Amino acid sequence: KNQVEQSPQSLIILEGKNCTLQCNYTVSPFSNLRWYKQDTGRGPVSLTIMTFSENTKSNGRYTATLDADTKQSSLHITASQLSDSASYICVVSAKTSYDKVIFGPGTSLSVIP
Amino acid sequence: EPEVTQTPSHQVTQMGQEVILRCVPISNHLYFYWYRQILGQKVEFLVSFYNNEISEKSEIFDDQFSVERPDGSNFTLKIRSTKLEDSAMYFCASFGTGPHEQFFGPGTRLTVL
Repeated sequence: KNQVEQSPQSLIILEGKNCTLQCNYTVSPFSNLRWYKQDTGRGPVSLTIMTFSENTKSNGRYTATLDADTKQSSLHITASQLSDSASYICVVSAKTSYDKVIFGPGTSLSVIP
Repeated sequence: EPEVTQTPSHQVTQMGQEVILRCVPISNHLYFYWYRQILGQKVEFLVSFYNNEISEKSEIFDDQFSVERPDGSNFTLKIRSTKLEDSAMYFCASFGTGPHEQFFGPGTRLTVL
């Protein structure tokens, strides 16, 4: 069964600190993996996307890694800011005739001063 | 950057009433999706739409739900007889042919009283 799991479920960090969020998936055949940021009451906004051959991708203070062998991904946030407080969702696409998209449950991140 | 738009941003309705949620996807995209997110829960897949027909639907998408692309631009989700448990954020997504072409709309918050 295609599934995406994330840990931790929630995380509280001090402003300026770094953090790493984890994603494990059992999606086959794998097409791509995305990390989204979702502010409360808003639609998900794409941070990074990685295909099978990519194992790291950066977007500003966000760096995502992908290990396609172990089916794990991480999102590292550097020098966190209060505006980073949001839900971070790992989304994995299966390669079918169209991209079948499977959402993880998200990690709720709170950055406090 | 292209964007997906959704209207209304917030819809309040009485239980048993019909609602139509509207989405304008990216003009040259081919795949359209509806997702919902009940408050505090993960994003759930409802239905995918390709070539003017449903390509896949989840078990949530029962006979009370329907989708249409009536005029080649709008993409609508209709709920025939709303239930209290239909209260959620509904997101439309528009996918192009490449993995970098996946965009979510801002969502419609549906409140069923």
